[in-house]
Amino acid sequence: GAVVSQHPSWVICKSGTSVKIECRSLDFQATTMFWYRQFPKQSLMLMATSNEGSKATYEQGVEKDKFLINHASLTLSTLTVTSAHPEDSSFYICSAPLDGVSGHQPQHFGDGTRLSIL
Amino acid sequence: TQLLEQSPQFLSIQEGENLTVYCNSSSVFSSLQWYRQEPGEGPVLLVTVVTGGEVKKLKRLTFQFGDARKDSSLHITAAQPGDTGLYLCAGLLNSGGGADGLTFGKGTHLIIQP
Repeated sequence: GAVVSQHPSWVICKSGTSVKIECRSLDFQATTMFWYRQFPKQSLMLMATSNEGSKATYEQGVEKDKFLINHASLTLSTLTVTSAHPEDSSFYICSAPLDGVSGHQPQHFGDGTRLSIL
Repeated sequence: TQLLEQSPQFLSIQEGENLTVYCNSSSVFSSLQWYRQEPGEGPVLLVTVVTGGEVKKLKRLTFQFGDARKDSSLHITAAQPGDTGLYLCAGLLNSGGGADGLTFGKGTHLIIQP
C-alpha cells in the first residue's frame, strides 16, 4: 500500500488562484520531505526540501514566495502555489525517506498532483 | 547542465530482446536508485545501489553501480510488454546524514512490443 499520500491528484483552476497540495506520510514520521516538479516528457526536478519545524530549503531558481512550503507536523507537508499562472501547470510530486531521515534509504513518492492553470 | 546523463531517452524493442539503460555522471554519488514511473503516478523504487561495483538482480532486471560510483546501468533480459514504462535513475550526492533530495536523470521511455 501507499506509504506517502498526496492530495489532490488533479486540480484545474483559473489564473491568479492559489492552490494548496498536501503530502502525508502514512504510518511513519518524516522530518524531511521533498517536493519535485515534472513537466511532460521530462524528468523530475527537485524544487525544495521541506523541514519539520524549520524553513524549507529551495533549489536555485525556485521562488520561495511563489511556492510556499509548510511542514506542519511530522506527517504533513503542504505546498501552496500562490497566484498560479499557466506556466505553473505541471505535475507536482512529493517524497519522503522511509525512515524519516535521508541518506541511503530510498524515498517513497506520492502519486503526484496534476496542476492545470487556465 | 544535466548532472546525470541517462541514455537512451527512448527505446522500442520486440518482446524477448535484451536491453541496457545507462546512467552516467562526472560526479560521485553516495548511492544511486532506479525507479519506474507509470503515467499519472509517482515513481516506484526498483533498487538502491550503494557500493562501487555492486550488482543487484531483481528477476530479469540487473542493476550495476560503477566502481567509481559515477555511473550505473540497468539491464533487462528477455523484455516483456509488462516492462513498458518510464525508467528513471536518481543519485544521492551527500550521505552525511543530512537531508538531500535526489538528482534525477531525464528518464528512458521503454516500449516493449508484443
